[in-house]
Amino acid sequence: AQSVAQPEDQVNVAEGNPLTVKCTYSVSGNPYLFWYVQYPNRGLQFLLKYITGDNLVKGSYGFEAEFNKSQTSFHLKKPSALVSDSALYFCAVRDQGGNNRLAFGKGNQVVVIP
Amino acid sequence: EAGVAQSPRYKIIEKRQSVAFWCNPISGHATLYWYQQILGQGPKLLIQFQNNGVVDDSQLPKDRFSAERLKGVDSTLKIQPAKLEDSAVYLCASSLGPTNEKLFFGSGTQLSVL
Repeated sequence: AQSVAQPEDQVNVAEGNPLTVKCTYSVSGNPYLFWYVQYPNRGLQFLLKYITGDNLVKGSYGFEAEFNKSQTSFHLKKPSALVSDSALYFCAVRDQGGNNRLAFGKGNQVVVIP
Repeated sequence: EAGVAQSPRYKIIEKRQSVAFWCNPISGHATLYWYQQILGQGPKLLIQFQNNGVVDDSQLPKDRFSAERLKGVDSTLKIQPAKLEDSAVYLCASSLGPTNEKLFFGSGTQLSVL
């Protein structure tokens, strides 16, 4: 079954510094990979996805993520963090060859310090 | 466009009581999902509908949980009887189709079972 690991509970970063949120995945086939963000008292919002093609995908709000097949990773990055980026970030994976179920990681709390 | 609507926003019940949650997906979205998000964990799929048919309910505790989407639009999730471990946020999401990679989430119903 597909699964995602987000090893860090919380990521603290100073405003203006680069932000990285780590994600590794496990699937039996080829992965579809996603990042979602959850702001307080709001539902999850789609940020970006990797299906195939270029390993570097760009998404909403200046975020990007890099697919690394050999390391089975899909880390989320932003060159310069904003205070408004403080939120809970979820990585998710779906197995292209398996069921359509989307498996989410436990989430990472990002705190951007002014 | 209008988003995914869920009600109620909060619910507090005692164990062994019954509770129901309602979801109205984005207009035109054929696929509807119910997720359970326990504090500190990522969302876990409970059930997935394609129109009014069930696609995946393998992770639904069927002895106490039930869900329906009778007219292929809005949906109801019920718990009867509730247990303490059911305390969680119940998220509804919708997408255009079953393999569509972008899910739209509602704000969720926060359930506390005392």
